Amino acid sequence: DTGVSQDPRHKITKRGQNVTFRCDPISEHNRLYWYRQTLGQGPEFLTYFQNEAQLEKSRLLSDRFSAERPKGSFSTLEIQRTEQGDSAMYLCASSSYSDEISYEQYFGPGTRLTVT
Amino acid sequence: AQKVTQAQTEISVVEKEDVTLDCVYETRDTTYYLFWYKQPPSGELVFLIRRNSFDEQNEISGRYSWNFQKSTSSFNFTITASQVVDSAVYFCALSEAVTGRRALTFGSGTRLQVQP
Repeated sequence: DTGVSQDPRHKITKRGQNVTFRCDPISEHNRLYWYRQTLGQGPEFLTYFQNEAQLEKSRLLSDRFSAERPKGSFSTLEIQRTEQGDSAMYLCASSSYSDEISYEQYFGPGTRLTVT
Repeated sequence: AQKVTQAQTEISVVEKEDVTLDCVYETRDTTYYLFWYKQPPSGELVFLIRRNSFDEQNEISGRYSWNFQKSTSSFNFTITASQVVDSAVYFCALSEAVTGRRALTFGSGTRLQVQP
């Protein structure tokens, strides 16, 4: 296993279009997190899953954003009616969590979204 | 609420110099985790270290060392004999340890430039 992968790496879209990103976590990891990183800032938490259950959504995640992890493996993050303020790097991370013990989050390379 | 402050926006050193990156955090939790991640120019966040709040022992790994001081809510990172390959943005992060959520709160990062 080579780590967390994300697709696409770059996406340029016009304002108002919908976009979808995919994240494939490390195979044995049951936790999957999405973060957003804007230029010059640290990543900000968006949402996370344990297996297929979405356990939390940040207030940063407006109604235009939806995330799924249908089979507890890969996850998708969709943004509807994109706005220029959505331009950012979208990062996915995975980790192993059991019996209240969790381990480090390992990050993918990110998807850089540019909304024109 | 949790907060991580990395007051040093950018540091420039000459190769072989020692450099310390500062991290100050705020949390109401009595049990928490602290992390350092490295983000090289390629963009992928690389995990460096995790510390538990109840373990204040300093840690050394090769040229890297970490100084955790609960009394001052600081978790500083020192690179000894810096190398050009250390050039990157370094993020300090915090997560709670009680509810199982484990989402990371990041600082804004410190950009380290090591000149040959």
